[in-house]
Amino acid sequence: NAGVMQNPRHLVRRRGQEARLRCSPMKGHSHVYWYRQLPEEGLKFMVYLQKENIIDESGMPKERFSAEFPKEGPSILRIQQVVRGDSAAYFCASSTGEETQYFGPGTRLLVL
Amino acid sequence: SQKIEQNSEALNIQEGKTATLTCNYTNYSPAYLQWYRQDPGRGPVFLLLIRENEKEKRKERLKVTFDTTLKQSLFHITASQPADSATYLCASNSGYSTLTFGKGTMLLVSP
Repeated sequence: NAGVMQNPRHLVRRRGQEARLRCSPMKGHSHVYWYRQLPEEGLKFMVYLQKENIIDESGMPKERFSAEFPKEGPSILRIQQVVRGDSAAYFCASSTGEETQYFGPGTRLLVL
Repeated sequence: SQKIEQNSEALNIQEGKTATLTCNYTNYSPAYLQWYRQDPGRGPVFLLLIRENEKEKRKERLKVTFDTTLKQSLFHITASQPADSATYLCASNSGYSTLTFGKGTMLLVSP
């Protein structure tokens, strides 16, 4: 049973470009969470999605960031017009809806 | 909102000793606390979950306690090994089953 998969593992973008981060949850999991981790900081919750629904986006910046989890395919976190401050590790986690979340390996975004 | 506090200083111990890591929460008593392990460049790995009504939980060499009076959870690794060296994260539930994490405590086990 494959774990949570994220791609790309590393992403380099120039300021103003768009970044698309993908997450495939564990088999049987329909709940997806995105977290951001800045250097020397803890994991910060961004958004919680179920298939085709955003359940909680209270941690996501209002501008430039969006997330989706379509009926078919992976969940996508999209960052438009990236700025240097967006450089971070972005982690996706999935669950069955129970308490425990299983994390992917993360995508390290570097904005030049 | 809930705040999770972990000791930011690295914990250095010798192989074979028991490592004890602390997690304090500041506001409401969470329904549960979870502990994760994170290695450099990797995602967190779930270790243990303890519920509000449980005093203690064990799994192999790991033990977690939950003290609602002190607003604290302790995470113990007995007979520690160099392979246990990692950052350990404490998290509590918040909102719609989302998690609030502490910054983590780095554990270094020397041979």
